[in-house]
Amino acid sequence: EIVMTQSPATLSVSPGERATLSCRASHSISSNLAWYQQKPGQAPSLLIYGASTRATGFPARFSGSGSGTEFTLTISSLQSEDFAVYYCQQYNNWPLTFGGGTKVEI
Amino acid sequence: EVQLLESGGRLVQPGGSLRLSCAASGFTFSTNAMSWVRQAPGKGLEWVSGISGSGDNTFYAESVKGRFTISRDTFKNTLYLQMNSLRAEDTAVFYCAKRPNWSDYWYFDLWGRGTLVTVSS
Repeated sequence: EIVMTQSPATLSVSPGERATLSCRASHSISSNLAWYQQKPGQAPSLLIYGASTRATGFPARFSGSGSGTEFTLTISSLQSEDFAVYYCQQYNNWPLTFGGGTKVEI
Repeated sequence: EVQLLESGGRLVQPGGSLRLSCAASGFTFSTNAMSWVRQAPGKGLEWVSGISGSGDNTFYAESVKGRFTISRDTFKNTLYLQMNSLRAEDTAVFYCAKRPNWSDYWYFDLWGRGTLVTVSS
């Protein structure tokens, strides 16, 4: 099983600041990585797939990068609606696995 | 409207059984692979099971293999998860999720709101 490790667990930032979230895979997963945003009481929403392709509905301030075992989600200028928990998920191997999440808070 | 709506979650005793349903609407259900993903209270996401669009191929997490069975009914546009031998650690919100029809890769572009399963005596 591929273990996905996200850091930090919690990221405290102010509106307008840049946020950088990390996701590491225990083995290479090429670019087969997705990011999801989950707000309290809601289901996750697909944010990024293929490590760097932004999903429909998310603005350009969200960007993803990386390949192999190291991945990054960057939010260039945090808006109030971006405070949420972010999960990475690998789909290179079975079983599908998620990281433990990074909570972005004020 | 494109949506997934789960149902069937409730309080069940350890060792009991439960069947979850996920009604799909607004898209061609038969062409989309589907999955169940769960989230224990206050915890992260855990993939549980997946099924191909045709229903011919199924996949399971080790934690549920032999206890859970995923299936789909194309005529009813509904995904199911039959859960047997339930344990306290199965307590979670269960989401159904759709794989994009443009991709052969197992990430999910549409999620339901979830249904809560509580396993407790």
